[in-house]
Amino acid sequence: AAGVIQSPRHLIKEKRETATLKCYPIPRHDTVYWYQQGPGQDPQFLISFYEKMQSDKGSIPDRFSAQQFSDYHSELNMSSLELGDSALYFCASSWGGGATDTQYFGPGTRLTVL
Amino acid sequence: EDQVTQSPEALRLQEGESSSLNCSYTVSGLRGLFWYRQDPGKGPEFLFTLYSAGEEKEKERLKATLTKKESFLHITAPKPEDSATYLCAVWAGTASKLTFGTGTRLQVTL
Repeated sequence: AAGVIQSPRHLIKEKRETATLKCYPIPRHDTVYWYQQGPGQDPQFLISFYEKMQSDKGSIPDRFSAQQFSDYHSELNMSSLELGDSALYFCASSWGGGATDTQYFGPGTRLTVL
Repeated sequence: EDQVTQSPEALRLQEGESSSLNCSYTVSGLRGLFWYRQDPGKGPEFLFTLYSAGEEKEKERLKATLTKKESFLHITAPKPEDSATYLCAVWAGTASKLTFGTGTRLQVTL
């Protein structure tokens, strides 16, 4: 079965640079979620989109922005990168937007900021 | 604020030695409790969703149960390939996000 696709899988950036992470949800899923997982920590919710509209917002820095496009893929844009932004970034998708839908996670993008 | 606590933090079992992992939660309006398995450097892999107290679900050597305050993931006769971090997450209130516990790192040895 098709899964969530994330690209790139690995990304190395310098401080103060920008990064763009992409997420392609499971076909027919209309909701996308972004999570950040630091070393040895649990995933922390950043932001979610349902039918191309932002549906919920968590602890996402103002330096980060995201959107969902007409084909339901999503991009997380990160500017003025800091060392503390180094983490695994997961995208998850579901269908239905807000009910008790199971979120299926992608393989993640490992971002390293030097 | 929703809180999820998992115990133990780490668990080492011998192959065939059954045990249980605990997930305690304090939320307002539980809508669903999820169990995921996560291997190092990979995305969480969905295992179970539980919606109401008394519900149970099984998959191979795993069985998840739910009460009004906690959930258990029972592992029967584990094998080395069951070694992973098991994450519990809750979906509560009107938010669309999952709130995760810090996980239980399970190691199964021969």
